[in-house]
Amino acid sequence: QVQLQESGPGLVKPSETLSLTCTVSGGAISSYYWSWIRQSPGKGLEWIGYIYPSENTKYNPSLKSRVTISVDTSKNQFSLKVKSVTAADTAVYYCARDPGGYIAVAGYFDHWGQGTLVTVSS
Amino acid sequence: AIRMTQSPSSFSASTGDRVTITCRASQDIGSYLAWYRQKPGKAPKLLIYAASTLQSGVPSRFSGSGSGTDFTLTISCLQSEDFATYYCQHHYSYPRTFGQGTKVEIK
Repeated sequence: QVQLQESGPGLVKPSETLSLTCTVSGGAISSYYWSWIRQSPGKGLEWIGYIYPSENTKYNPSLKSRVTISVDTSKNQFSLKVKSVTAADTAVYYCARDPGGYIAVAGYFDHWGQGTLVTVSS
Repeated sequence: AIRMTQSPSSFSASTGDRVTITCRASQDIGSYLAWYRQKPGKAPKLLIYAASTLQSGVPSRFSGSGSGTDFTLTISCLQSEDFATYYCQHHYSYPRTFGQGTKVEIK
């Protein structure tokens, strides 16, 4: 059974960089698309972007200038960086699997991590 | 970005009720729609994708229908674990976007 687990600091100062890692167990990371999604009271669920482990990435235009998603296949992990954060980036961050594979992305999410709360505050 | 609008935002129901939640897309998305259930403090769980395909392991009391811009999620016989918040999400184009959620509460 595939399991995903987010990790990273729960508190980030304004203007700094938010960094999170998702560790995937129970399956190879190289065969699927992997996304980051966040949830805040003000904006609901927001898709941030995905990576396919050939380094193919796609980002939400609303965040594209500040976001980087990368992958480390040797560790079965993928990561999120959001630079120049503000209070508006305070949210629960989820990593999730898109069940699409080499042929095409599916676009929906069948496995999710438990989520990690990141608060932006000085 | 495509806007997804759910209705109602919340409602009350009883165990055993048949309930329907509606999701409307701001443009034609074909059948590229997914539904999720989220319990408090937990991640969303995929119920349905491609508008009407039941995800493996999801009980058959859940069903989805619709195409184009109007979609529905129906729960035929509400169970205790179904009191939760439901979200629709299109998978037609980028960026993927979600509805604002429909909370199903106990009457």
